[in-house]
Amino acid sequence: GAGVSQSPSNKVTEKGKDVELRCDPISGHTALYWYRQSLGQGLEFLIYFQGNSAPDKSGLPSDRFSAERTGGSVSTLTIQRTQQEDSAVYLCASSLWQREAETQYFGPGTRLLVL
Amino acid sequence: AQKITQTQPGMFVQEKEAVTLDCTYDTSDQSYGLFWYKQPSSGEMIFLIYQGSYDEQNATEGRYSLNFQKARKSANLVISASQLGDSAMYFCAMREGLGGSYIPTFGRGTSLIVHP
Repeated sequence: GAGVSQSPSNKVTEKGKDVELRCDPISGHTALYWYRQSLGQGLEFLIYFQGNSAPDKSGLPSDRFSAERTGGSVSTLTIQRTQQEDSAVYLCASSLWQREAETQYFGPGTRLLVL
Repeated sequence: AQKITQTQPGMFVQEKEAVTLDCTYDTSDQSYGLFWYKQPSSGEMIFLIYQGSYDEQNATEGRYSLNFQKARKSANLVISASQLGDSAMYFCAMREGLGGSYIPTFGRGTSLIVHP
């Protein structure tokens, strides 16, 4: 596709339920990133993929968070047993390569609200 | 220590005037990239401009320019001739080389309001 897409655009769930957030990066981009942005805050790095592997999972806030990427393309971020503090905008970005000169391109985000 | 510091939580500018948004960074790498993004109220992060650490000239993209002062470790964004549509959050980001494993880090952002 022309840009990074994410689905759903909005998700409302009840505390304790699991949610899956999807990211479809720009075609051909090998690096994919997930960030979380709480209201009025900056971007909190969660995880990044190079191809299908995730060399850096250091940003995942707890073991309730997991992510996978298949076929070097689509990625899914899963939050199990959601808590109210998980409410945030989840942003996905991709870049052609993982190096200092590469620009990240962001999707529109998924707004998650946990009641 | 914060790698990217944006000291201005909010800025106001009159339409058609220029505005500078501050960004300082901290790295021991020789090779790194600096980026600015705009985030309007719709929420999408829009890439504006890039400056490489080895670039000798300041980057420019239309009305955006990056005032890169390497010795001071600053990378300020200058928006000339502000427009109402420039009202948004602006984020400075850095991507380090091997020392930073290439994971981009972002500042906390500056909210810019352009008024007529």
